[in-house]
Amino acid sequence: DGGITQSPKYLFRKEGQNVTLSCEQNLNHDAMYWYRQDPGQGLRLIYYSQIVNDFQKGDIAEGYSVSREKKESFPLTVTSAQKNPTAFYLCASSMSGQTVPAYSFQETQYFGPGTRLLVL
Amino acid sequence: QKEVEQNSGPLSVPEGAIASLNCTYSDRVSQSFFWYRQYSGKSPELIMSIYSNGDKEDGRFTAQLNKASQYVSLLIRDSQPSDSATYLCAVRYFGNEKLTFGTGTRLTIIP
Repeated sequence: DGGITQSPKYLFRKEGQNVTLSCEQNLNHDAMYWYRQDPGQGLRLIYYSQIVNDFQKGDIAEGYSVSREKKESFPLTVTSAQKNPTAFYLCASSMSGQTVPAYSFQETQYFGPGTRLLVL
Repeated sequence: QKEVEQNSGPLSVPEGAIASLNCTYSDRVSQSFFWYRQYSGKSPELIMSIYSNGDKEDGRFTAQLNKASQYVSLLIRDSQPSDSATYLCAVRYFGNEKLTFGTGTRLTIIP
């Protein structure tokens, strides 16, 4: 089955601790994204990557870090600098806006099941 | 100013009626428009995408786009209790690979 997996489903962080959220896709998509969702709010972009070994900051990158060493994987680290990390974290992927014709349905972003991060 | 705006609701619609969800976006060159459905505690799933002015129908769902007025809407015909969810509008602007999301409209279908 093709899709996006995220683990763990729930993650607990102690104060001062760094934690890493996993995101893997087997859709052969070039682009991957991390979003944060707070209760009653929309999705806010943390980081995105359009190609291996390259990534860009989104709207709320402070306190987070990412890596893109493999096409299939885009892990997100929530560092101790992120003072309010409690949220629902969503990973998404898409073919890539740079290589897909502008009006192709393939540019849609598809989401993983999410990781809920809670602070102890 | 937010770039994509939605009425947060909740919007209550009787079962079998038409649910109408609206989304407005800022005055920028827009490219693609998406409606996602998100059940409580779950991740968003794509319902419809639309790129050109007019209507696009898929089963009980119709997306309507009016670029001159800068709005996109989603109509759900014959609403079912299973349609109860939050609906997120997303816009992709030309030259920008990112999607900008609205805050979502919570829809409740009343049996």
